[in-house]
Amino acid sequence: NAGVTQTPKFRVLKTGQSMTLLCAQDMNHEYMYWYRQDPGMGLRLIHYSVGEGTTAKGEVPDGYNVSRLKKQNFLLGLESAAPSQTSVYFCASSNRVNTEAFFGQGTRLTVV
Amino acid sequence: KQEVTQIPAALSVPEGENLVLNCSFTDSAIYNLQWFRQDPGKGLTSLLLIQSSQREQTSGRLNASLDKSSGRSTLYIAASQPGDSATYLCAPSNDYKLSFGAGTTVTVRA
Repeated sequence: NAGVTQTPKFRVLKTGQSMTLLCAQDMNHEYMYWYRQDPGMGLRLIHYSVGEGTTAKGEVPDGYNVSRLKKQNFLLGLESAAPSQTSVYFCASSNRVNTEAFFGQGTRLTVV
Repeated sequence: KQEVTQIPAALSVPEGENLVLNCSFTDSAIYNLQWFRQDPGKGLTSLLLIQSSQREQTSGRLNASLDKSSGRSTLYIAASQPGDSATYLCAPSNDYKLSFGAGTTVTVRA
């Protein structure tokens, strides 16, 4: 029962470097989401997708790009990392709008 | 924009006491509301999903109520145990998206 798997689990980047976070789900879910979690704040939505080939902006999209080329994968890209992007990133998926959402274990990213 | 508030921010109780965690949200046009548990350094684990048409949902020692019109949900945990120590997050769902509060951090003392 893999559920939602995030890769990598930890990463340290230098300012200006780029990277891609991978989220994979094996539940055939339509909807996928990327959130970030910062101390003292709730999770904030970065981008989301309501199906293969679709993406939409969430609450805090600046500095991030996403792609959903395959239904089971949702990629989050940082083109030029900044210290303000130091955070824990969570991916989630759900089958329909009114069903349970499942989360991955998170990626802890530090930008120095 | 949905705003979610969870009160209290932290709670410490002796083992065996019942827990009451409150969640309020500003936009009552929700599809459902989900309660999650998060252990330090870990991901979110779903505890309960309560649909907008429901008033209550139960799972073992957990019970969640929903008053959609007033924008409130309450999570009750009966007979708390040290293993219940964690951060609890509520997340109402609007327009395909979950919105989160900052959570309530619970410590159950043995």
